[in-house]
Amino acid sequence: QKEVEQDPGPLSVPEGAIVSLNCTYSNSAFQYFMWYRQYSRKGPELLMYTYSSGNKEDGRFTAQVDKSSKYISLFIRDSQPSDSATYLCAMLEVAGQNFVFGPGTRLSVLP
Amino acid sequence: GAVVSQHPSRVICKSGTSVKIECRSLDFQATTMFWYRQFPKKSLMLMATSNEGSKATYEQGVEKDKFLINHASLTLSTLTVTSAHPEDSSFYICSARDVEGSYNEQFFGPGTRLTVL
Repeated sequence: QKEVEQDPGPLSVPEGAIVSLNCTYSNSAFQYFMWYRQYSRKGPELLMYTYSSGNKEDGRFTAQVDKSSKYISLFIRDSQPSDSATYLCAMLEVAGQNFVFGPGTRLSVLP
Repeated sequence: GAVVSQHPSRVICKSGTSVKIECRSLDFQATTMFWYRQFPKKSLMLMATSNEGSKATYEQGVEKDKFLINHASLTLSTLTVTSAHPEDSSFYICSARDVEGSYNEQFFGPGTRLTVL
């Protein structure tokens, strides 16, 4: 079993839809959870991070962490064509360790 | 936010030549930088961790003599692909760890696309 799993997609949604992106993981020691967005042929950019369990909201984006289920989610409200990208989740146990990345989910928001 | 640059953004070279890629943290000090490789539609694969002033730590399966990493200052790390071959063609991305961040956040460069003919 891979340490972090994501559905690779592609996921296609119409403009304005609510998008749900998810990662599951096996290491119960992960405490920091990040979501990165990567446009084609560009480096990843940090969207959100969460420490431990709970929700965090930033504009149209909401990150959720459920440590009991080893499951994290990123919700995008009112999705826009500009949201079309690959979304990578990343995790680490303690500050200073290397990140463990999921394989990424390709999202396409159709106008 | 913190900015990481990479140079060049794209390079095409002949088989057998060496290529150097620079990674710079522009507005923060990075004692640790990371080098990743990414194939089309695949996730990031960590190649090595570079610490300022010491030897890089390579991931299993990554050839140290082929991918030379130098981290000479707190803002610059270089990756040299020696005697490049077509199978080395890939997207190389660096990231820099901001030690002032609350969880040692990583900031990524824009990537370098290497094509070996």
